[in-house]
Amino acid sequence: DAGITQSPRHKVTETGTPVTLRCHQTENHRYMYWYRQDPGHGLRLIHYSYGVKDTDKGEVSDGYSVSRSKTEDFLLTLESATSSQTSVYFCASAGHSGANVLTFGAGSRLTVL
Amino acid sequence: KNEVEQSPQNLTAQEGEFITINCSYSVGISALHWLQQHPGGGIVSLFMLSSGKKKHGRLIATINIQEKHSSLHITASHPRDSAVYICAVRSHNTDKLIFGTGTRLQVFP
Repeated sequence: DAGITQSPRHKVTETGTPVTLRCHQTENHRYMYWYRQDPGHGLRLIHYSYGVKDTDKGEVSDGYSVSRSKTEDFLLTLESATSSQTSVYFCASAGHSGANVLTFGAGSRLTVL
Repeated sequence: KNEVEQSPQNLTAQEGEFITINCSYSVGISALHWLQQHPGGGIVSLFMLSSGKKKHGRLIATINIQEKHSSLHITASHPRDSAVYICAVRSHNTDKLIFGTGTRLQVFP
């Protein structure tokens, strides 16, 4: 079983609609991260979490919010999707500092029309 | 200036060549990761380093904490090694993961 799963894997939506991406991990990792990957930009951090209900912004957080009500789940919400948010979104998780490997989800491809 | 710099950005090689990809960083770290991403594929963690050197098959990763530099070496490269290789560091202060922009490697038969 994959230690970290993302859903949905693919989504097409219209501008202005809300979208929620879910990341679920079974590793009991403390840290979870949401990134977007775009051509020419590499992986850019949107938000991350260092524990239940503890989150912080990354470098491209505008237009995104997150929630972490349980260790295993980290939700990324686009309140009102825009075409500039068309991207591939990756979730990752990691254990305590330096102690554990980094695990990535398979990615969620979001298209905003 | 990016906190994590990788070089080269693009690399082509003939099958069998020895490959080196470099990563330099400017922040204090608790760990450094080397990741691999095949075209259209997911991201796989190859190594996690906090000191010294690790080897897995034809892949070798080294880190020099004092110089804030790491290298990923591929011996006897093969076309299936063609992928993007990404260096990521974990900030010692914030636990944020900071990524380099990646090195695109193409190995031709």
